[in-house]
Amino acid sequence: GENVEQHPSTLSVQEGDSAVIKCTYSDSASNYFPWYKQELGKRPQLIIDIRSNVGEKKDQRIAVTLNKTAKHFSLHITETQPEDSAVYFCAASTGGYGNNRLAFGKGNQVVVIP
Amino acid sequence: DAGVIQSPRHEVTEMGQEVTLRCKPISGHDYLFWYRQTMMRGLELLIYFNNNVPIDDSGMPEDRFSAKMPNASFSTLKIQPSEPRDSAVYFCASSLGQGGSNQPQHFGDGTRLSIL
Repeated sequence: GENVEQHPSTLSVQEGDSAVIKCTYSDSASNYFPWYKQELGKRPQLIIDIRSNVGEKKDQRIAVTLNKTAKHFSLHITETQPEDSAVYFCAASTGGYGNNRLAFGKGNQVVVIP
Repeated sequence: DAGVIQSPRHEVTEMGQEVTLRCKPISGHDYLFWYRQTMMRGLELLIYFNNNVPIDDSGMPEDRFSAKMPNASFSTLKIQPSEPRDSAVYFCASSLGQGGSNQPQHFGDGTRLSIL
């Protein structure tokens, strides 16, 4: 099945700097890649997603890029703020009728230092 | 607009007791997922349903775990008998289906389960 890996496991950045988290996936048939943010004690929340027919997607301070050839995708957070501190999970899915399951990475702890 | 609703939010019980976790998906969603989250193993998919039918239960750890979805608006995850190693946060999520197109999964607030 699909295997998703995230690097680095922990990332500390100064407030105002940018943070980049990279994920790699194993199944070249994967075509959907969401990112979830989970604050301490809260539920995972979808923050952005990208499909394989698009190379980049942006939403305010957050962007995701996809490299299908290398089988990796990255989350970019610009002008980081303390409220960006959380665990970020990437995921991948091949889709197909009757198959909407996601393979999640282990998560990255992002710490924004004020 | 109500999201995914899980109950109870917290459950503390003794080893050997039966535990039942409940989930109400977002209205109109035809996929429902049960996940378990621990520090050691991260977010694990236990089972998921499509139109109330279990599609993949390969993530269910053992026979002590069972899940049902009697109708489109309700699902249960049952552990009997419970063991301390079952302590974790259990999340339910739901999504639209729309044929072969992946749709975002929306998570509930989770049930924090502690087995003493």
